[in-house]
Amino acid sequence: EVHLLESGGDFVQPGGSLRLSCATSGFTFSNYAMSWVRQAPGKGLEWVSSTSASGDNTYYADSVKGRYTISRDNAKNTAFLQMNSVRAEDTATYYCAKPKGDGAYYAMDVWGQGTTVTVSS
Amino acid sequence: IVMTQSPDSLAVSLGERATINCKSSQSVLYNSNNKNYLGWYQQKPGQPPKLLIYWASFRESGVPDRFSGSGSETDFTLTISSLQAEDVAVYYCQQYYKTPQTFGQGTKLEIK
Repeated sequence: EVHLLESGGDFVQPGGSLRLSCATSGFTFSNYAMSWVRQAPGKGLEWVSSTSASGDNTYYADSVKGRYTISRDNAKNTAFLQMNSVRAEDTATYYCAKPKGDGAYYAMDVWGQGTTVTVSS
Repeated sequence: IVMTQSPDSLAVSLGERATINCKSSQSVLYNSNNKNYLGWYQQKPGQPPKLLIYWASFRESGVPDRFSGSGSETDFTLTISSLQAEDVAVYYCQQYYKTPQTFGQGTKLEIK
């Protein structure tokens, strides 16, 4: 069974940093792109970032570009999201998600349960 | 690409049909493979989104056949043919045609 488990969410002050992890199992991680999607409290879904299967190609929403970095360790079947210079508007539940196919341009068929990031002084 | 769903909320009686619309600001049809890069998700409170439909009309494995997707290019529809109590949720469309991938604002479906 495919499984994604996010961790690393926490309370953080504005301007601070946080690193989220997404541990995966049940599929050949190195064959798939991975994405992060967030949801602010009571709001809709916002795509944040994606990485190609190799990690060579990365993509970001304009709202996080230059502050967030997506990466992956294919040997450990884990994806990461480094969040720097966080702002109050980054407060959200962050989900990692796996695409249905072996490229970036697929619907996301498996989602983790999410990890909560709260940015507040 | 901006995704706009209608309505924002919807109340339907049990056993009746529910229809949610999604409009994209540009076509999400990739002509080389004739696929619409459009998905539909269901999200219940406290849970992550669940994929229902991909390529606009392909039902994900395990999804009841009362859920169906239709449409092409810029106009899409999610239909629940006979509403069940467990279908109460927020539904999102998403385009994965180009980066940034974008979601509709969501449609909250309730029982009348």
